[in-house]
Amino acid sequence: GESVGLHLPTLSVQEGDNSIINCAYSNSASDYFIWYKQESGKGPQFIIDIRSNMDKRQGQRVTVLLNKTVKHLSLQIAATQPGDSAVYFCAENRGYGNKLVFGAGTILRVKS
Amino acid sequence: EAGVTQFPSHSVIEKGQTVTLRCDPISGHDNLYWYRRVMGKEIKFLLHFVKESKQDESGMPNNRFLAERTGGTYSTLKVQPAELEDSGVYFCASSPLTGLRYGYTFGSGTRLTVV
Repeated sequence: GESVGLHLPTLSVQEGDNSIINCAYSNSASDYFIWYKQESGKGPQFIIDIRSNMDKRQGQRVTVLLNKTVKHLSLQIAATQPGDSAVYFCAENRGYGNKLVFGAGTILRVKS
Repeated sequence: EAGVTQFPSHSVIEKGQTVTLRCDPISGHDNLYWYRRVMGKEIKFLLHFVKESKQDESGMPNNRFLAERTGGTYSTLKVQPAELEDSGVYFCASSPLTGLRYGYTFGSGTRLTVV
């Protein structure tokens, strides 16, 4: 069945360093991917998205890379800050409006 | 623009009782979704409304869960009777019917604890 999973459950980085969070997906028919950040007591917050016809997309301090050949998605955070500490989820979608399939999540801890 | 609103934010009930969660989507968003996260695991899909119609309810765990969206505005998710394994955080999300910008907007969730 469909699944989206993460390689690492917890990532600890030093403030100012770059962070890379990885995600593997299994549904080759997925055409839209989203990264969410979830802080304690809050709902998932949109960070960045990418469609399957792209392999890279950049936002403010964040970059998402998509490798369809190996079904891999990554989120890069530049100059990680303490406020980036949260759980990060990747999610995939097949067809606009359809359900999102989430990965298990990666905890990002930023050390000052 | 108000975001997706959910209440209550927390609910503690005893096994066998009934609980009703409510979600108010962003105004004008015809798509409304319910998800839940149990015991720190992944966020799992429950069901999807398009306006007042159930588009996909493949994620509903059993018939103790009943979702409604009368009038195509707010939605409720009722759990009756609640079991211990229903504990978790229930999220609601909404998106417009056309176009897809900034993904799906999530509410802050309702933390349900069944004791």
